[in-house]
Amino acid sequence: LAKTTQPISMDSYEGQEVNITCSHNNIATNDYITWYQQFPSQGPRFIIQGYKTKVTNEVASLFIPADRKSSTLSLPRVSLSDTAVYYCLVGAFSGGYNKLIFGAGTRLAVHP
Amino acid sequence: GAGVSQSPSNKVTEKGKDVELRCDPISGHTALYWYRQRLGQGLEFLIYFQGNSAPDKSGLPSDRFSAERTGESVSTLTIQRTQQEDSAVYLCASSPGLADAFSYNEQFFGPGTRLTVL
Repeated sequence: LAKTTQPISMDSYEGQEVNITCSHNNIATNDYITWYQQFPSQGPRFIIQGYKTKVTNEVASLFIPADRKSSTLSLPRVSLSDTAVYYCLVGAFSGGYNKLIFGAGTRLAVHP
Repeated sequence: GAGVSQSPSNKVTEKGKDVELRCDPISGHTALYWYRQRLGQGLEFLIYFQGNSAPDKSGLPSDRFSAERTGESVSTLTIQRTQQEDSAVYLCASSPGLADAFSYNEQFFGPGTRLTVL
């Protein structure tokens, strides 16, 4: 199972762009890269998923270089409501299902 | 539409007592997962169900932990003889179905049950 490494915490201010980078040096050919967001007292929520290059949705962008050994989640113009823990996961396929391995995540604090 | 629901939202119990935690997945989702989250930490995988079968129980911490699923719907996580170290938030997630090698099924999480063992 690919292990991920991401910063423990980050601080930002409203209106700024935030980039959170995750390292996954041992990613396997079949693995996807997925990011989840967790607010206090709630379960995690899927944000974005990618395999290579760039993916963009209404919430975020995900940049994945050609070697796929890292990925960067980009949150444009953050607001106070983006304060949360962000988890980077690399999909592990075992027995035909997705066993999510969550690390400690990155605690993002957005300040006024 | 209805998401994943869990009950109770909070449970306080005494050491040595048994507890049952319930998960109602999204209707039609065949895959169901249980996770444990200790304060300030990431999620630990406990068990996975595909339908009513549990092909992966590798995350269950001890034989005091068990889970079942019936009717390809509701799941119950049971912790016997609870210990203080069992205090955590227990999260349930469901997803639509089997994943092949090059696809990914998003997991939809419930709000969790906060278990406190005194």
